[in-house]
Amino acid sequence: GAVVSQHPSWVICKSGTSVKIECRSLDFQATTMFWYRQFPKQSLMLMATSNEGSKATYEQGVEKDKFLINHASLTLSTLTVTSAHPEDSSFYICSTGRDTQYFGPGTRLTVL
Amino acid sequence: AQSVTQPDIHITVSEGASLELRCNYSYGATPYLFWYVQSPGQGLQLLLKYFSGDTLVQGIKGFEAEFKRSQSSFNLRKPSVHWSDAAEYFCAVGPDTGTASKLTFGTGTRLQVTL
Repeated sequence: GAVVSQHPSWVICKSGTSVKIECRSLDFQATTMFWYRQFPKQSLMLMATSNEGSKATYEQGVEKDKFLINHASLTLSTLTVTSAHPEDSSFYICSTGRDTQYFGPGTRLTVL
Repeated sequence: AQSVTQPDIHITVSEGASLELRCNYSYGATPYLFWYVQSPGQGLQLLLKYFSGDTLVQGIKGFEAEFKRSQSSFNLRKPSVHWSDAAEYFCAVGPDTGTASKLTFGTGTRLQVTL
């Protein structure tokens, strides 16, 4: 299966700043990646579908101007949380694969 | 719309005992079904998957799951639980397109193992 990495694994930032999270596919040409958000002790909620070379597709209720996704290559998708606020604090996980999705280790974001 | 139900939020079993985690799905067509495990603060690891064929599938770490179309279920089982199996388990469903598709997850079942 695909090997997926994320960077950073955790980040703390001040309210109002922007944070970029990277998702890399190490051994798979990822034309599509998925970004999920997970609150403590809850399930994963799909935020958006990241498409290489084109615009991301956002799920209903997800602010595309707040969660900027860039997928410029077959190995890298980035999620930028703009003007972060404490309510954006969460665990963000990406995935990619063909018929099976393989997940990155996640990034824990804490906004103070 | 597709959905996944995991009726048990939290299960506690003794080490060495058998385990069954329930998963029911709602899907309009033939689904792809998955079980993932998540340790605290970690990403999701694939345990097993069902696409077609034999309805009893074997996975890693001694886990198996059985697809029952008549019951819309895909329950996860393990004959003898180890303390290291304590984690959160997620059942997920996706379309059988054969290409990258978004998954719908259940709410998860937290497994606690007592020694």
